[in-house]
Amino acid sequence: RKEVEQDPGPFNVPEGATVAFNCTYSNSASQSFFWYRQDCRKEPKLLMSVYSSGNEDGRFTAQLNRASQYISLLIRDSKLSDSATYLCVVKGSNDYKLSFGAGTTVTVRA
Amino acid sequence: EAGVAQSPRYKIIEKRQSVAFWCNPISGHATLYWYQQILGQGPKLLIQFQNNGVVDDSQLPKDRFSAERLKGVDSTLKIQPAKLEDSAVYLCASSRETNGEQFFGPGTRLTVL
Repeated sequence: RKEVEQDPGPFNVPEGATVAFNCTYSNSASQSFFWYRQDCRKEPKLLMSVYSSGNEDGRFTAQLNRASQYISLLIRDSKLSDSATYLCVVKGSNDYKLSFGAGTTVTVRA
Repeated sequence: EAGVAQSPRYKIIEKRQSVAFWCNPISGHATLYWYQQILGQGPKLLIQFQNNGVVDDSQLPKDRFSAERLKGVDSTLKIQPAKLEDSAVYLCASSRETNGEQFFGPGTRLTVL
């Protein structure tokens, strides 16, 4: 079983729509969780950390469900510039190593 | 603040040849990482340095891959000899400390023919 699993998509949505997707992780001892954004042929960049209580950053909302071991990302009022691959990332408790999912591709169309 | 620098940006070689990649981390960042990202997958950590010491190289194929960070600043990753399955983007990242936010360089796209 992979450490981090994501629905690869693609999610094709019109501008202004809401899109949401999850990822699951296998290690129940994982401590920290993140969403990274990766544009086509570019490097990954940190989008946001995911906190136990859930958190928002503008149009982006992240949720963590420790009991079911999944993380979600919701994008409201999608913009064309939101088109990217979103990588779910889990950090171990002992070694601080980042484990990346394969990414969920979102395409926002005009 | 300058970001993580990597070179070359692209490299095409034939199988069994050797190749080397270079990374210069953000100034002052003690921790340096090399990742391999195969098309359609997320980055996979190959090796992590803390200053000039190796912290984790458990996923580095040591029969053909080697990396060094001799002076605790820039780093090189070498593959010798390359195989077809080594075709990937090699990403370098750095962080101020071991548990800090990682910043990625633009990567080196390797194609092995």
